[in-house]
Amino acid sequence: EVQLVETGGSLVQPGKSLKLTCATSGFTFSNAWMHWVRQSPEKQLEWVAQIKAKSNNYATYYAESVKGRFTISRDDSKSSVYLQMNSLKEEDTAIYYCTWGNWYFDYWGQGVMVTVSS
Amino acid sequence: DIVLTQSPATLSVTPGESVSLSCRASQGISTSIHWYQQKSNESPRLLIKYASQSISGIPSRFSGSGSGTDFTLSINRVESEDFSVYYCQQSYSLPRTFGGGTKLELK
Repeated sequence: EVQLVETGGSLVQPGKSLKLTCATSGFTFSNAWMHWVRQSPEKQLEWVAQIKAKSNNYATYYAESVKGRFTISRDDSKSSVYLQMNSLKEEDTAIYYCTWGNWYFDYWGQGVMVTVSS
Repeated sequence: DIVLTQSPATLSVTPGESVSLSCRASQGISTSIHWYQQKSNESPRLLIKYASQSISGIPSRFSGSGSGTDFTLSINRVESEDFSVYYCQQSYSLPRTFGGGTKLELK
């Protein structure tokens, strides 16, 4: 059974940092392209970042809204993907989902809440 | 960025009706559109890939069609468990983008 479990969500002040972790199981993680997708309080879904597999040189891509502030990474030995979020803004408040897929998102985690507020 | 516009925003139906949900892309994207269902307090679930390809485990009453800029998700004879929000997503180019969603509600 495929499982993706996100942790690390919290209430943080603007300008601070936070790191999300997604632990996975049930599929060959080392071959997987992994993503973070977020959902705003208004329910709009937004793709945030992607990291490809080792065979694709771990290439990374970001939404313009987070480029330069967020960093996606992975540890194939732990079947985990991470999202380091720096210089957080109130508009980053959302549920953050870890997802697996190349062109579409086959599987989703349960999501973790990040609230940015003073 | 490719903008996806879903309509209507809300669709009120009675169980047993058949419905069509629309997703329009701001430029031609071939069949690079995928559909998701999101029930209240749950994560999205993939329903249809590449405009019309079925997904294992998804009921056959869900189907998709379209190419280019206009796409449709059809539900044949809506059941009570189908009252949810539906999103389209494009994989034609980065950034991946989603539509704003259509909420299917009980009339």
